[in-house]
Amino acid sequence: DTEVTQTPKHLVMGMTNKKSLKCEQHMGHRAMYWYKQKAKKPPELMFVYSYEKLSINESVPSRFSPECPNSSLLNLHLHALQPEDSALYLCASSQGPNPQETQYFGPGTRLLVL
Amino acid sequence: AQTVTQSQPEMSVQEAETVTLSCTYDTSESDYYLFWYKQPPSRQMILVIRQEAYKQQNATENRFSVNFQKAAKSFSLKISDSQLGDAAMYFCAYRSGQGAQKLVFGQGTRLTINP
Repeated sequence: DTEVTQTPKHLVMGMTNKKSLKCEQHMGHRAMYWYKQKAKKPPELMFVYSYEKLSINESVPSRFSPECPNSSLLNLHLHALQPEDSALYLCASSQGPNPQETQYFGPGTRLLVL
Repeated sequence: AQTVTQSQPEMSVQEAETVTLSCTYDTSESDYYLFWYKQPPSRQMILVIRQEAYKQQNATENRFSVNFQKAAKSFSLKISDSQLGDAAMYFCAYRSGQGAQKLVFGQGTRLTINP
């Protein structure tokens, strides 16, 4: 089973709202990732968690706040977003953070900021 | 920094025919991993095939195979007996073997299958 689930599938929020995206995997993976994908563009890495600790932050604005409460769960808290933050947010996981580990992606959350 | 280039924004192929998607990359490293992912309209990125740079043998997965030319820094994907379900955006991706955890993606090739 290589399933990564993400909720919600779609999200519409105003610029003053606070919302959260959720990602879950039950494959025993110890590395989890957030990617942002704009329309007709490739995914871009935002954050990496290894063994529940933040290991990479790709200079993401502080209005995006990741959280990894346990090894199966990854959240992305959103606050005071801008319309240009509208995108598909993809979560991925891998067995470990090592380069040879394949990343498995979830179906994504389509976010629209009004 | 590593870069990945997919020079074909769009490709089309007749059902049951063979198509090859091209990918080139730029790196000074000798240890790395290469991947092809497909992203159908359902949006989920699905791993198609992977290649370790230290392996000379080209990877194959059923109807999918790669032509890995390390010296030329080329990593093309061949899809044989194309099926309607193969229609998707295909991304080539690079991952360094030196600890960087990010996948570097190409711009993608949109593949259309004509019945």
